[in-house]
Amino acid sequence: ILNVEQSPQSLHVQEGDSTNFTCSFPSSNFYALHWYRWETAKSPEALFVMTLNGDEKKKGRISATLNTKEGYSYLYIKGSQPEDSATYLCAFLYNNNDMRFGAGTRLTVKP
Amino acid sequence: AAGVIQSPRHLIKEKRETATLKCYPIPRHDTVYWYQQGPGQDPQFLISFYEKMQSDKGSIPDRFSAQQFSDYHSELNMSSLELGDSALYFCASSSGGLNEKLFFGSGTQLSVL
Repeated sequence: ILNVEQSPQSLHVQEGDSTNFTCSFPSSNFYALHWYRWETAKSPEALFVMTLNGDEKKKGRISATLNTKEGYSYLYIKGSQPEDSATYLCAFLYNNNDMRFGAGTRLTVKP
Repeated sequence: AAGVIQSPRHLIKEKRETATLKCYPIPRHDTVYWYQQGPGQDPQFLISFYEKMQSDKGSIPDRFSAQQFSDYHSELNMSSLELGDSALYFCASSSGGLNEKLFFGSGTQLSVL
């Protein structure tokens, strides 16, 4: 069963807090792990594509790590800002072209 | 640069009608994904295509069907529309491969009255 699970489902933090959420995926047939940021009524935007165990990627205050052996990826946001409020989706590429999305973590940052 | 084009941008239908949404991927992208986001809901993966063949299927109702054509554009056909089908429908395209991210269209807002 190809389940991609994200936790928590939703998260409310104060401006300035650092936060992190998890994406769990099957550790077999791994090809790549994607993170997307999806603001309401806008198109999802790619954050990271990670392919190697131990990968760490960073984009401004947002970073991600990858553990393919145990099947998880963490997304970290340092010093959350209200504009970080969005749904963060991870997607697991398990063949070269088959991709399964998680349900997302909905982040709300309160000023 | 060319982006993923979805049409129409907005669509209003009545219950039990049919609707067809279109997605034109970025040139040379052979993979298309469809995604649905209802009001206040989490995004739901519907279906994907690679090289004109269905490659993965998510929570797509039996009333919906989709296909990818020879020019790689994709159409999502929805029949017997229900009020709960009102949502924003995104498609995304990719050129495949390990490091290729998805590019999303602006979405089609479907309202079922």
